[in-house]
Amino acid sequence: KNEVEQSPQNLTAQEGEFITINCSYSVGISALHWLQQHPGGGIVSLFMLSSGKKKHGRLIATINIQEKHSSLHITASHPRDSAVYICAVSYGQFYFGTGTSLTVIP
Amino acid sequence: DTAVSQTPKYLVTQMGNDKSIKCEQNLGHDTMYWYKQDSKKFLKIMFSYNNKELIINETVPNRFSPKSPDKAHLNLHINSLELGDSAVYFCASSPGQGKETQYFGPGTRLLVL
Repeated sequence: KNEVEQSPQNLTAQEGEFITINCSYSVGISALHWLQQHPGGGIVSLFMLSSGKKKHGRLIATINIQEKHSSLHITASHPRDSAVYICAVSYGQFYFGTGTSLTVIP
Repeated sequence: DTAVSQTPKYLVTQMGNDKSIKCEQNLGHDTMYWYKQDSKKFLKIMFSYNNKELIINETVPNRFSPKSPDKAHLNLHINSLELGDSAVYFCASSPGQGKETQYFGPGTRLLVL
């Protein structure tokens, strides 16, 4: 079993929809990261969280340390949000989820 | 200026060869990483390295070795390449270890024939 589980694996949404991607982990962590991988392959770090909530533009990330769960929300989704979103946790080592492939249709 | 750069972008080579991938960061970061992304797009850390400590993922074959000539560079050497080494290799850096945002290079696509 993977230390980090993401759901859903694939997600298709209409432009403008509110999107939620979930991440659960089974190890103690020092931080949780949300990454975005564009269709061209480049990886960008979106958030690094150790508690609470962070917001950047239309993206919101939350983490519940007690429940070992994090969510990434995208408000007013846009086709340019189409990408793979990867959850990762750091605890000495890094552990990655398998990613959620998001497609936003105009 | 690119923050984290990798060369080459593409690498096609024969089984059994030895190859190197170079990584440079101009962010002044203390920690650098190498990741492997397989055909199923699953990312896995291979190494993390700062001036004091090399942390190796124990599942990485010893044919893979990181070499750091200075704080801004972490190169990846691969000996006796195998078909299963075909993947995309990403370099990244962060100010410290684990608890800080990482900055990724563009990736090196390795194909072993």
